[in-house]
Amino acid sequence: QAVLTQPASLSASPGASASLTCTLRSGINVGTYRIYWYQQKPGSPPQYLLRYKSDSDKQQGSGVPSRFSGSKDASANAGILLISGLQSEDEADYYCMIWHSSAPLFGGGTKLTVL
Amino acid sequence: EVQLVESGGGLVQPGGSLRLSCAASGFTFSSYSMNWVRQAPGKGLEWVSYISSSSSTIYYADSVKGRFTISRDNAKNSLYLQMNSLRAEDTAVYYCASSTLFDYWGQGTLVTVSS
Repeated sequence: QAVLTQPASLSASPGASASLTCTLRSGINVGTYRIYWYQQKPGSPPQYLLRYKSDSDKQQGSGVPSRFSGSKDASANAGILLISGLQSEDEADYYCMIWHSSAPLFGGGTKLTVL
Repeated sequence: EVQLVESGGGLVQPGGSLRLSCAASGFTFSSYSMNWVRQAPGKGLEWVSYISSSSSTIYYADSVKGRFTISRDNAKNSLYLQMNSLRAEDTAVYYCASSTLFDYWGQGTLVTVSS
């Protein structure tokens, strides 16, 4: 079982909100980790969006709009990237990452379609 | 403006070697850890290696341990990845990315391992 699991795809409408989840493997407590989020558009390198551990331990990437935010669902053992006011330019692949046992681990990515 | 520019990719036969470089500018390179991350065609992100600012701490993914060597030259603002015993499964775009946040990425260099 992968350490980080992301749904392969998600669709949402322009102007709506989208919640992208990053579920940690059982036995790995989401509460103890900073979750990092990245956006990658076709043909481009990934771009750092934000980091979230708690409301008192979070960081927005430089120039990243505030409509991108992070949170956690402890009951689901998952990190969440919330994108509000979806725009067509938000259509991209999104990856989560954690540092686990001195190694950064990426989730498999979610392809977000805005239609 | 932060810039990371990778070079050195190309076509190599299985069992061959290649050395990638990443030229950094726009920030104090010697103060930041660096990483190599790769992305196979149509696949997700896979972390390859990490090096601390002073080169005192180095980590590798299990998939490349013993075959790849990361290094840096702070005087030249450059990061390197020596890749030996290359396999078909090493075919990917290789990115350098800065710090433990992976907050800046280069455009990537394509490595193709094929006979």
